Amino acid sequence: GESVGLHLPTLSVQEGDNSIINCAYSNSASDYFIWYKQESGKGPQFIIDIRSNMDKRQGQRVTVLLNKTVKHLSLQIAATQPGDSAVYFCAGINQAGTALIFGKGTTLSVSS
Amino acid sequence: GAGVSQSPRYKVAKRGQDVALRCDPISGHVSLFWYQQALGQGPEFLTYFQNEAQLDKSGLPSDRFFAERPEGSVSTLKIQRTQQEDSAVYLCASSLFLTGANTEAFFGQGTRLTVV
Repeated sequence: GESVGLHLPTLSVQEGDNSIINCAYSNSASDYFIWYKQESGKGPQFIIDIRSNMDKRQGQRVTVLLNKTVKHLSLQIAATQPGDSAVYFCAGINQAGTALIFGKGTTLSVSS
Repeated sequence: GAGVSQSPRYKVAKRGQDVALRCDPISGHVSLFWYQQALGQGPEFLTYFQNEAQLDKSGLPSDRFFAERPEGSVSTLKIQRTQQEDSAVYLCASSLFLTGANTEAFFGQGTRLTVV
């Protein structure tokens, strides 16, 4: 079946450090993945996406890496700031192309 | 408005009561999604609309859940005879293009439903 999941439920880092959040997906999951950030009391907010014909994509302070061989993707946040504290979800597309399938999320805590 | 708007933000319902949750998507967005998010979990897909057509309702957990988007803009998620396990945040998202989930989807802040 389709599934997307995260390795660690929590991650604590110091301000200024780089953060890496990991995600694994199943055989039948999509070839398109998105990372979302969700702050308390808010809806998920789009961070960055990547298609399977790419290995890496960079945004502002964020990089997503896709390893199709081991069906793994990661979100790297450079120079993590307190405002980055949130729950991060990876999501893939279902086979019908009609829905995002979310993992359980990793809670990132950034201390000053 | 500039974003996806959901109302009410909070709803407390007595078990057995019917509720209706509203979503105002971003103007012009063709695709609209409903998700259910339990505490500490990721959002779970409920249903998908392309304009007024409900193309996928495979995620609706029971026949007590019903969604509509009659004019292709505002959508309503209705839950009949609410039960305690329905307590969750209900998220609405919309996207611009016809390719459904394969584009950037913008989420509303959600409606937190508590069934007592």
